[in-house]
Amino acid sequence: DTGVSQNPRHKITKRGQNVTFRCDPISEHNRLYWYRQTLGQGPEFLTYFQNEAQLEKSRLLSDRFSAERPKGSFSTLEIQRTEQGDSAMYLCASSLVPEAFFGQGTRLTVV
Amino acid sequence: DQQVKQNSPSLSVQEGRISILNCDYTNSMFDYFLWYKKYPAEGPTFLISISSIKDKNEDGRFTVFLNKSAKHLSLHIVPSQPGDSAVYFCAATINYGQNFVFGPGTRLSVLP
Repeated sequence: DTGVSQNPRHKITKRGQNVTFRCDPISEHNRLYWYRQTLGQGPEFLTYFQNEAQLEKSRLLSDRFSAERPKGSFSTLEIQRTEQGDSAMYLCASSLVPEAFFGQGTRLTVV
Repeated sequence: DQQVKQNSPSLSVQEGRISILNCDYTNSMFDYFLWYKKYPAEGPTFLISISSIKDKNEDGRFTVFLNKSAKHLSLHIVPSQPGDSAVYFCAATINYGQNFVFGPGTRLSVLP
């Protein structure tokens, strides 16, 4: 399978705990994106990497959120001190040309 | 301020007929537009795209039309099939993929 891979698929955590998600993009893609989607809404942009450089961050990305893409390959998204409002589907996408291809997402539930 | 709008939350169409999904945008800097389909509990799947220098792009049963003066695009699915039942998102980008802005989606139901 050469698509975008996200792990874990589901995560349930207690409020206040830290969580980390991983995204493995399509291997030749140099751009990687993180989005968040809640029920009834379209995906909301969080951040964007070109190779290892984080080029853009949304104001939605509070200081509790941090994303990395070491060596321009896989990426991690960490949420510290999770809150119930962080419950959502976190989507990763990668692209080489204008079209972005999404992974299956990680469903986060904060209880 | 919602830059990409899909004003119809849902649409029902009979199998074999045409489905037309609409999208409006406000930012004239958008230069590339995309449609995605999403099933429950899955990530969005890319369907078809169009550059701002074109007014039509066709791929099999899917055709996207772009009217720049009206800041409007539409996705036509002909003929519609029950497997097309999903949520469809319109997305737009500046600088060919620096950031994708999505609409809220339209739920399409194709009735057998």
